[in-house]
Amino acid sequence: DSGVTQTPKHLITATGQRVTLRCSPRSGDLSVYWYQQSLDQGLQFLIQYYNGEERAKGNILERFSAQQFPDLHSELNLSSLELGDSALYFCASSGGPRRVNEQFFGPGTRLTVL
Amino acid sequence: DAKTTQPNSMESNEEEPVHLPCNHSTISGTDYIHWYRQLPSQGPEYVIHGLTSNVNNRMASLAIAEDRKSSTLILHRATLRDAAVYYCILRDRGGSEKLVFGKGTKLTVNP
Repeated sequence: DSGVTQTPKHLITATGQRVTLRCSPRSGDLSVYWYQQSLDQGLQFLIQYYNGEERAKGNILERFSAQQFPDLHSELNLSSLELGDSALYFCASSGGPRRVNEQFFGPGTRLTVL
Repeated sequence: DAKTTQPNSMESNEEEPVHLPCNHSTISGTDYIHWYRQLPSQGPEYVIHGLTSNVNNRMASLAIAEDRKSSTLILHRATLRDAAVYYCILRDRGGSEKLVFGKGTKLTVNP
């Protein structure tokens, strides 16, 4: 158990809909990262938040957005969903001042868009 | 981001050592070498990391070539639970904190 929790575990929805994925980092970790894993693209970094502020952005679509709340949990919002958005979405957290700290991953949310 | 090259797959027998290679010929002086693995149906998990010297922890050992252009993750006695995809990742200590995953090496452990 990494200490990172993600809800829900599974999500099935239709094209055009909007969903919210939730992540609770390990206690005390200030950084939260979101990654997407699909069969064709592999594991890809989407976005990072540090103590409530966006720190880095990766290959995140404009239809996707995220935020980190004062209690440090984070949400990833996916809107106008397309079939190609079906994937596993992982949240990870890390703490401490060193930039090469290990990241702890949650169990993921499997999103299926029909 | 500096690139790494790993074999697509490797096979091992239970209780035997496994050496997983990684080439990173364009590594820079500030790049750390990290290894993560992803067990089936789970999120990735950290295995080990190093900069120049060989490193050991309870999970594995990391052997880094003298010129740092390659490294080897060593599992001393493979178990069935070690069957996973292993990712070798370079991380610049002064750069972005994101992890850039390649395709990794899928390790199969035979009983």
